[in-house]
Amino acid sequence: KQEVTQIPAALSVPEGENLVLNCSFTDSAIYNLQWFRQDPGKGLTSLLLIQSSQREQTSGRLNASLDKSSGRSTLYIAASQPGDSATYLCAGSSNTGKLIFGQGTTLQVKP
Amino acid sequence: DAMVIQNPRYQVTQFGKPVTLSCSQTLNHNVMYWYQQKSSQAPKLLFHYYDKDFNNEADTPDNFQSRRPNTSFCFLDIRSPGLGDAAMYLCATSREGQGPYEQYFGPGTRLTVT
Repeated sequence: KQEVTQIPAALSVPEGENLVLNCSFTDSAIYNLQWFRQDPGKGLTSLLLIQSSQREQTSGRLNASLDKSSGRSTLYIAASQPGDSATYLCAGSSNTGKLIFGQGTTLQVKP
Repeated sequence: DAMVIQNPRYQVTQFGKPVTLSCSQTLNHNVMYWYQQKSSQAPKLLFHYYDKDFNNEADTPDNFQSRRPNTSFCFLDIRSPGLGDAAMYLCATSREGQGPYEQYFGPGTRLTVT
């Protein structure tokens, strides 16, 4: 059974800092790994999706990596801004498309 | 813009009074999902439709039902809401067969049970 864990649960950084959010999963037969952003009281916005055959994906200041052998994914945010403050969720999917979510990391970027 | 739309955004219902939440999509995706997210918790899959085929999660209470009358629309029916059903309900879609099941989420419906 796939389990997804995110550490830390909360993170506070000053503006401009580079940071890494961690995600680990128990089943290496993961089909893909998707990172989402969730603002308070809102839905989920897809940030990056890494297919099982890929090792990383980049979008702007965001870079996500996937290491299936170690069961880990990271989301790197460069030059953080107050507008990046949100909860970041990672989710792994099986080949049926079902997503298993981590509990999320709540990020606060202080001006 | 192609998108996933949920209505209403906020819904208040009374204990035991049936309620229906609605989801529509303009992405022409063949898979639609319903998730429940309680405060400070991860989203939890309730069920999904693969085309017209309904797939229920084993631990989804019988109180929750779903309908998908056509490709674009999907409904979540809660037959007798309890206080524990207060949550954010998220609808998502994906396109099987074209890429790796990337899921696109709607803005959610916040359900309050009084």
